Amino acid sequence: EAQVTQNPRYLITVTGKKLTVTCSQNMNHEYMSWYRQDPGLGLRQIYYSMNVEVTDKGDVPEGYKVSRKEKRNFPLILESPSPNQTSLYFCASSKEGTRSGKTQYFGPGTRLLVL
Amino acid sequence: DQQVKQNSPSLSVQEGRISILNCDYTNSMFDYFLWYKKYPAEGPTFLISISSIKDKNEDGRFTVFLNKSAKHLSLHIVPSQPGDSAVYFCAAITDSWGKLQFGAGTQVVVTP
Repeated sequence: EAQVTQNPRYLITVTGKKLTVTCSQNMNHEYMSWYRQDPGLGLRQIYYSMNVEVTDKGDVPEGYKVSRKEKRNFPLILESPSPNQTSLYFCASSKEGTRSGKTQYFGPGTRLLVL
Repeated sequence: DQQVKQNSPSLSVQEGRISILNCDYTNSMFDYFLWYKKYPAEGPTFLISISSIKDKNEDGRFTVFLNKSAKHLSLHIVPSQPGDSAVYFCAAITDSWGKLQFGAGTQVVVTP
């Protein structure tokens, strides 16, 4: 089954404690991205990657890092989480980039609470 | 500053009637628009899209209209069904690999 998986699904942490949210896709997609969803703001892109070792900033990259060492994985790293990073995070992948909306798959989301 | 705006946070409609969701944008460089549907505890799923060279695209019960001069698009769902109850996001892009700009979403509730 074609899917994007994220782990963990729920996470409560404290300010400053480094964490990583993993994202993996089994569709051999080149394009992957991370979004955060906040009330009244919709989804905002954090980072995206067009292929292995190629990443670029989205609209809200501050406080986040990503890496793309393998095609299937695109982890999101919060080196020093702060309460304003409390949010719902989505990973997405597609074969041809965001224009091919039909083939963009989103993960189920990771709800993060930073105390 | 949000470049894609959905000014109605919620919409309630009776089953069988038409749902009309609106979306406005400010960036004239946007040339491709998408609608996503999201159920609770799930990621968004693609619904329908439209290129800026068109003014209408239809897929079953879903039709998207684009008015470039007004920088406005709308999604029509006819007839509305209870399973359509979800949050709908409008999104826009300027190039194939670039950033998707999302609106804040509209919660649709379809009542029997």
